[in-house]
Amino acid sequence: QVQLVQSGAEVKKPGASVKVSCKASGFPFTTYFFHWVRQAPGQGLEWMGIINPTDVTTTYAQKFQGRVTMTSDTSTTTVYMELSNLTSEDTAVYYCVRAGFDPWGQGTLVTVSS
Amino acid sequence: DIQMTQSPSTLSASVGARVNITCRASQTIDTWLAWYQQKPGKAPKLLIYKTSYLEIGVPSRFSGSLSGTEFTLTISSLQPDDFAIYYCQQYNSYPYTFGQGTRLEIK
Repeated sequence: QVQLVQSGAEVKKPGASVKVSCKASGFPFTTYFFHWVRQAPGQGLEWMGIINPTDVTTTYAQKFQGRVTMTSDTSTTTVYMELSNLTSEDTAVYYCVRAGFDPWGQGTLVTVSS
Repeated sequence: DIQMTQSPSTLSASVGARVNITCRASQTIDTWLAWYQQKPGKAPKLLIYKTSYLEIGVPSRFSGSLSGTEFTLTISSLQPDDFAIYYCQQYNSYPYTFGQGTRLEIK
């Protein structure tokens, strides 16, 4: 079936980087863009950016420019989101989402703590 | 960035009631608006896209509309499974932005 499966929870120290993966299955990977959305504990949803996995073109929210990198691997039908220079404010669940906003991955909790 | 303002923040209603959740955009977004339902510990679920199109598999008691500049999500007859948080989202222009959410509680 159509699904996105993300990598597991991460705990990072301030200043570190995290890379979250999202493996797609059940549909033609290269015919869809992918979004990344995050949600801090008890907070709302925040769009981070979008990637075209075919040519790896990206558009990032200005808030994350310079800190986020979205990549893809068509051979494994996987997209990645790397966020650098982490602070406690980056503690959140990170979701990958197929264009059209369905389906969503199950989410990856990233905790930033010293 | 386009700001999305949802109201109310919290809504208490009974099973069987009809409820409306509204969303306004700070700039024109045409009809590029989606609605999501989120339950605790789960990813959001797409309910409605392009203002009024029901996602496949979503019950017909959910509907979306636009009047003037106000977008509305209507649940015609609340069911126990509907108590959750609802978000609107504009996808007219980057960065895509979400409303702050409406918590729908059992009265």
